[in-house]
Amino acid sequence: GAVVSQHPSRVICKSGTSVKIECRSLDFQATTMFWYRQFPKQSLMLMATSNEGSKATYEQGVEKDKFLINHASLTLSTLTVTSAHPEDSSFYICSATGLAAAYEQYFGPGTRLTVT
Amino acid sequence: QKEVEQNSGPLSVPEGAIASLNCTYSDRGSQSFFWYRQYSGKSPELIMFIYSNGDKEDGRFTAQLNKASQYVSLLIRDSQPSDSATYLCAVRVSGSARQLTFGSGTQLTVLP
Repeated sequence: GAVVSQHPSRVICKSGTSVKIECRSLDFQATTMFWYRQFPKQSLMLMATSNEGSKATYEQGVEKDKFLINHASLTLSTLTVTSAHPEDSSFYICSATGLAAAYEQYFGPGTRLTVT
Repeated sequence: QKEVEQNSGPLSVPEGAIASLNCTYSDRGSQSFFWYRQYSGKSPELIMFIYSNGDKEDGRFTAQLNKASQYVSLLIRDSQPSDSATYLCAVRVSGSARQLTFGSGTQLTVLP
């Protein structure tokens, strides 16, 4: 159980375009989803927290107009990187948590974004 | 001071040995503690979590929690080369609902 999928796994886009990444919880209802970014050889950096049906909470320094997050259902959250630039190239990972007592987070496989 | 601290390593152990990974945290109100494994180029995978003082065992893995010392560790018995990865310690701090704070990870290499 506790499977989280992400799509696409890898995407290359041109500078100035937008990219949408989907995160789905396949076998549980994800009341909260998280979006992380990870640069090579660095730790996870939390970008935002999204609860189903409400606006995402962004971490300090993360531009909410650039990284649009939608959590429309209990099994789907999307991250759209708008007007992507080469410095946005990174490994984007979502995680989801349900109603388990410890609130453990289960991670999707990640999306590697390359902006040329 | 970082909220969750781990020795970045690299930590090297021979195959079959016990690998000991340590983590300290600063918030005494922390409630749940997690260990994740992350292979290079992959996303983190939950190994186990613990929220009561003492030991919790799952197969070759044992998590140990000492809230008085604000210390949590992960022991890997009979280490295998396939255990070579970065191990992330994560803490659910008080007042943060479901958000986790991650350490920077310890890189473990198990030598055949």
